[in-house]
Amino acid sequence: EPEVTQTPSHQVTQMGQEVILRCVPISNHLYFYWYRQILGQKVEFLVSFYNNEISEKSEIFDDQFSVERPDGSNFTLKIRSTKLEDSAMYFCASTRAGENGYTFGSGTRLTVV
Amino acid sequence: GNSVTQMEGPVTLSEEAFLTINCTYTATGYPSLFWYVQYPGEGLQLLLKATKADDKGSNKGFEATYRKETTSFHLEKGSVQVSDSAVYFCALSGSGNTPLVFGKGTRLSVIA
Repeated sequence: EPEVTQTPSHQVTQMGQEVILRCVPISNHLYFYWYRQILGQKVEFLVSFYNNEISEKSEIFDDQFSVERPDGSNFTLKIRSTKLEDSAMYFCASTRAGENGYTFGSGTRLTVV
Repeated sequence: GNSVTQMEGPVTLSEEAFLTINCTYTATGYPSLFWYVQYPGEGLQLLLKATKADDKGSNKGFEATYRKETTSFHLEKGSVQVSDSAVYFCALSGSGNTPLVFGKGTRLSVIA
């Protein structure tokens, strides 16, 4: 069964450093998303991406965040200057059409120290 | 805006007990409804879905029926197993591939 692949599975970074989280969505999917889950809390929407541009973003997705689809397969989330409160599990998801369900990757656990 | 409310956990059950996790939603239009499961240390897996009123989603012995009149999508299983221990998230998606909105999650622990 097709999978959404995320790398790395765990990243530790120092406060103020830039991080890039990588995702390879399912190849025939058209819509891509990033979500985050702070430990033990709700899964929160960050941003959606379609046709090479952001289609929607939440208030969490401020100027410190950016997304990119640098080639035909990768979808990245960049955090420019990480803060302690950015520590969370970040999930990438993709879908062909939303009513069919979203396929999530296994997540990247980001720890900011 | 769209929102999902699900029962607070944790829920602890003995093996073979009946499970219900309540989920209600607020949405404009006709959303699609989902249950996702997160096993310890893993990501989110789609458990089941329903895309229109009165649809029943089912998978691995779990069921949920899309009830428009009560705006609910309660998750049920007749006989839980230890391996069902996980966090269960109710979620909805509005029309036009709008992002999933999740409930807060309900942690289920099943003891032998």
